Amino acid sequence: SQQGEEDPQALSIQEGENATMNCSYKTSINNLQWYRQNSGRGLVHLILIRSNEREKHSGRLRVTLDTSKKSSSLLITASRAADTASYFCATDYFFGTGTRLTVIP
Amino acid sequence: GAVVSQHPSWVICKSGTSVKIECRSLDFQATTMFWYRQFPKQSLMLMATSNEGSKATYEQGVEKDKFLINHASLTLSTLTVTSAHPEDSSFYICSASRQGVVAFFGQGTRLTVV
Repeated sequence: SQQGEEDPQALSIQEGENATMNCSYKTSINNLQWYRQNSGRGLVHLILIRSNEREKHSGRLRVTLDTSKKSSSLLITASRAADTASYFCATDYFFGTGTRLTVIP
Repeated sequence: GAVVSQHPSWVICKSGTSVKIECRSLDFQATTMFWYRQFPKQSLMLMATSNEGSKATYEQGVEKDKFLINHASLTLSTLTVTSAHPEDSSFYICSASRQGVVAFFGQGTRLTVV
């Protein structure tokens, strides 16, 4: 997308390992959101981080935001097989193409 | 799984009238609800975050008096577009969150102001 991108496109890890996904964007933002989509299901909103925040935690999720670099990362710690899904970042103007995470039991 | 119901799914109204959109969480208590707007060929734009029993937090650039949000109960939030104009025509989507961060989306409301 011309408005931003996510990487990696696909990630495969063993259960218990941590997974990190990155998102970069090109315009100024008010907030950035991360979503999860399980196969054949709708989007699930995971976490929202505002432009004046640098880090946010929720359970096993940790999101960072660097507005100077126009980038964000989503860290899932102690991954589980149930975390297998596609993860998307989104801003007002950009919805990423997603990272496909596979957690191997 | 949890279901969020949004009503109506589409509505056509005359310019100058007000339109109310409902967002209901059907089988869980939603402590937080989000309202989004989607412009053609663009991403979801977060309009406001509402917590049950308190005033909504509006995103920058969203007119509070134009888009009235009420979250009177743990299962219902409403968005009222007041004095609607053609430029308010859009796709409005809500999502409802349990305690914690996971949220589920409604099916959206297509508003057309003529």
